[in-house]
Amino acid sequence: EDQVTQSPEALRLQEGESSSLNCSYTVSGLRGLFWYRQDPGKGPEFLFTLYSAGEEKEKERLKATLTKKESFLHITAPKPEDSATYLCAVRSGNTPLVFGKGTRLSVIA
Amino acid sequence: EAGVVQSPRYKIIEKKQPVAFWCNPISGHNTLYWYLQNLGQGPELLIRYENEEAVDDSQLPKDRFSAERLKGVDSTLKIQPAELGDSAVYLCASSYGTGNSPLHFGNGTRLTVT
Repeated sequence: EDQVTQSPEALRLQEGESSSLNCSYTVSGLRGLFWYRQDPGKGPEFLFTLYSAGEEKEKERLKATLTKKESFLHITAPKPEDSATYLCAVRSGNTPLVFGKGTRLSVIA
Repeated sequence: EAGVVQSPRYKIIEKKQPVAFWCNPISGHNTLYWYLQNLGQGPELLIRYENEEAVDDSQLPKDRFSAERLKGVDSTLKIQPAELGDSAVYLCASSYGTGNSPLHFGNGTRLTVT
């Protein structure tokens, strides 16, 4: 059974204080690892898909990396508007996405 | 491109009453998903449609939940009768195919059962 564990559950940063969110996964044959951002009262918004170990993708202040066991979402010099819940999800075989519980990020000005 | 549209945004009902949620996916997306999200949790799949066919409904509580996707476009999720534990956010998502195309989510319907 596919499993996704995200840490920490919550993270509070000062504006400009860089950090990383972790997503550890257990799957039989990873087909893709997905990162989503979710704002309060909204649905998840797609950020990245990573397919194989060593792959990296960037978008503005966000950079996602992937190893064989985990993925990191690095946030460089965050701003208050980066505050949200960040969700990680994995897909293996033809199974649907399995989501983690997310990391709640708060960036304080 | 218009996003996934869901209605209503909020619904408050008494237990044992029926309730229905509606979803209009992104044009051209043949795969549609209904997810349930409890507070502080990630979304959990209820049912997945490929065109009109429900291809994965193993997590749908079939004694009280039902769904349909007529003509392979809009979809409706129904609960009858609702229980207190059904209070949650019901998210609809769509994608082009079922490979690694990303899912695009609507803003959900927040259901409160009293």
